[in-house]
Amino acid sequence: ETGVTQTPRHLVMGMTNKKSLKCEQHLGHNAMYWYKQSAKKPLELMFVYNFKEQTENNSVPSRFSPECPNSSHLFLHLHTLQPEDSALYLCASSQDPAPSSYNEQFFGPGTRLTVL
Amino acid sequence: GQNIDQPTEMTATEGAIVQINCTYQTSGFNGLFWYQQHAGEAPTFLSYNVLDGLEEKGRFSSFLSRSKGYSYLLLKELQMKDSASYLCAVRANFNKFYFGSGTKLNVKP
Repeated sequence: ETGVTQTPRHLVMGMTNKKSLKCEQHLGHNAMYWYKQSAKKPLELMFVYNFKEQTENNSVPSRFSPECPNSSHLFLHLHTLQPEDSALYLCASSQDPAPSSYNEQFFGPGTRLTVL
Repeated sequence: GQNIDQPTEMTATEGAIVQINCTYQTSGFNGLFWYQQHAGEAPTFLSYNVLDGLEEKGRFSSFLSRSKGYSYLLLKELQMKDSASYLCAVRANFNKFYFGSGTKLNVKP
C-alpha cells in the first residue's frame, strides 16, 4: 500500500450504533488530519494531530472521538450520530507541521458515511 | 473567523486558458494551497504560495497577493481531464487549514 488509505470506503449506520473509521499513511509523515466534506459546503477541518499529539479540535461534537496511537494511524470513533453527520470523511497527512514548512497535504480516498 | 471565497462554477473550452480566483480574510496567514478534486475522488495538491508573486508548474500557475488577500490559479492549454473542482485553501494559525467551497470547472470540446 502506498499513500494514504482509509477503511471502510462506505459505511451505513444507525443513530445508536458505534463504529470507527481508520486511516493509515505510508509516507512517514508527522501530521494527520480529519476533514468532513458535505455537499455544497467547504471542506471542514475537524482534528489535527502533530507528532501523535492532538493540536486542534475545531469545535467538533463529542460524538466524534479521534485517536492517534502512532504517527501512521488515525482513527475516528463514531457514537450516536445524527443524520446530518452523513458526509464524506477525509483523512490527510503532511510531512512537517512547522509553520515555515511547505506542508503539502496528501488525502486519502475518504469514507462515505450515511447515518439513518 | 476565516472567510474564503471562490466562484461556484466556471466553463471553458478545450485548449483555452482559465483563471480561477480566490479571495480570503484570515488571521495568522501562513500559506495558500490549490487542490484539484475530481468527482468521487480525494483532493490532490496542485500548488503552494507563501510569498507574493507567481509560481509556475507546467500548465498550472498560481499567484498570490497577501496585501490584497487574493490568489488565482491559471490553467493553460485546457484539456478535458481538467474538468474537476478546484479548491483554494489557506493555512493559518500554525497548522490549521481553511478551504473554500471549491470552483467546479467544466471543460467543453
